Amino acid sequence: QQQVKQSPQSLIVQKGGISIINCAYENTAFDYFPWYQQFPGKGPALLIAIRPDVSEKKEGRFTISFNKSAKQFSLHIMDSQPGDSATYFCAASSRETNAGKSTFGDGTTLTVKP
Amino acid sequence: DVKVTQSSRYLVKRTGEKVFLECVQDMDHENMFWYRQDPGLGLRLIYFSYDVKMKEKGDIPEGYSVSREKKERFSLILESASTNQTSMYLCASSLAVGPQHFGDGTRLSIL
Repeated sequence: QQQVKQSPQSLIVQKGGISIINCAYENTAFDYFPWYQQFPGKGPALLIAIRPDVSEKKEGRFTISFNKSAKQFSLHIMDSQPGDSATYFCAASSRETNAGKSTFGDGTTLTVKP
Repeated sequence: DVKVTQSSRYLVKRTGEKVFLECVQDMDHENMFWYRQDPGLGLRLIYFSYDVKMKEKGDIPEGYSVSREKKERFSLILESASTNQTSMYLCASSLAVGPQHFGDGTRLSIL
């Protein structure tokens, strides 16, 4: 299966709180898991990415947690700020079978209230 | 930084017209993609190209065609525009492996 299931569809968090977005996949051949951030009027932009040889990757306030056995990965945004309000997409791809094509989740609209 | 440029931010066309959406990337990427984005439906792949003159259908190719005559340019063609093709269209490019780099989109309205 090529699906990537993302949840929740929308999320409202208070400023300073932790935002958590989850994704689950079926295809065990996936070996690259990026997260994209999209602001209104702009295209998605790479935020952070992980490969399955590590269980966690942190860049500033953004952390990806990866659970290979459960086929799940999640994005954690610490100390969420109003400027983080955007749509977030998880994705997955395989060097062996997809050669650059990604399967995207349906997106999560994050609103951070001041 | 990679730059992916879509020729129009907003476009209004009439039903039945042939519509061309153009995309240019400046990083010598092998792969180029066309997506459409609709509320609640995420990013849906229309067509994908992994080399000049090479193309592969995505999830929703019906009513669309593509052209890639040069490595840096990927065109999406709506052969006979219909109202259900009103949408945001996003172009992206990537190396053979790695993240995709997106343009800022063309919002197309078909009247």
